[in-house]
Amino acid sequence: KQEVTQIPAALSVPEGENLVLNCSFTDSAIYNLQWFRQDPGKGLTSLLLIQSSQREQTSGRLNASLDKSSGRSTLYIAASQPGDSATYLCAAGSRGGSEKLVFGKGTKLTVNP
Amino acid sequence: DVKVTQSSRYLVKRTGEKVFLECVQDMDHENMFWYRQDPGLGLRLIYFSYDVKMKEKGDIPEGYSVSREKKERFSLILESASTNQTSMYLCASGRAYQPQHFGDGTRLSIL
Repeated sequence: KQEVTQIPAALSVPEGENLVLNCSFTDSAIYNLQWFRQDPGKGLTSLLLIQSSQREQTSGRLNASLDKSSGRSTLYIAASQPGDSATYLCAAGSRGGSEKLVFGKGTKLTVNP
Repeated sequence: DVKVTQSSRYLVKRTGEKVFLECVQDMDHENMFWYRQDPGLGLRLIYFSYDVKMKEKGDIPEGYSVSREKKERFSLILESASTNQTSMYLCASGRAYQPQHFGDGTRLSIL
């Protein structure tokens, strides 16, 4: 059974810092790895999706990498801003087509002005 | 923009009641999902549907059922609500190999 772990559970950084959020998964037979953002009391917003054949994806200040062999993904945020404060969740896609996801518990990020 | 709409943001029900949570998406997505989110446990998949009238159990289907009579609508049913079903419920939709899009959630309290 797939298990997804995110460390640390919480992270506080000063504005402008570059940071890395970590995600690990136990079963390397994934179809994709997705990163989401969740603001308090809200649903999830998709940030990046990396297919199993890809190594990384980029969107603006965000870069996500995937290493299936080691069971790891990272989300890199450049030049962090207070508006980046949110909980970031990663999810492993276990079946192509239906996109059945197994989520980590998230990393709560606080960017201090 | 994709819109996933959940019928209620907050809902309070009593134990033993039959509860319906509704979700509608406007992008003709094949796949729809119901999750619950609890502190310390994260998001867990209850049920998903990959086509009209088709459904599959997720990780925690006990005490729940679903209905998908139309492609755009996916309903979650609590057959006899219990206090341990108090939670945040999130609906999502998506296409094959594409990111899921989430609604804002329904915070359900069972008294």
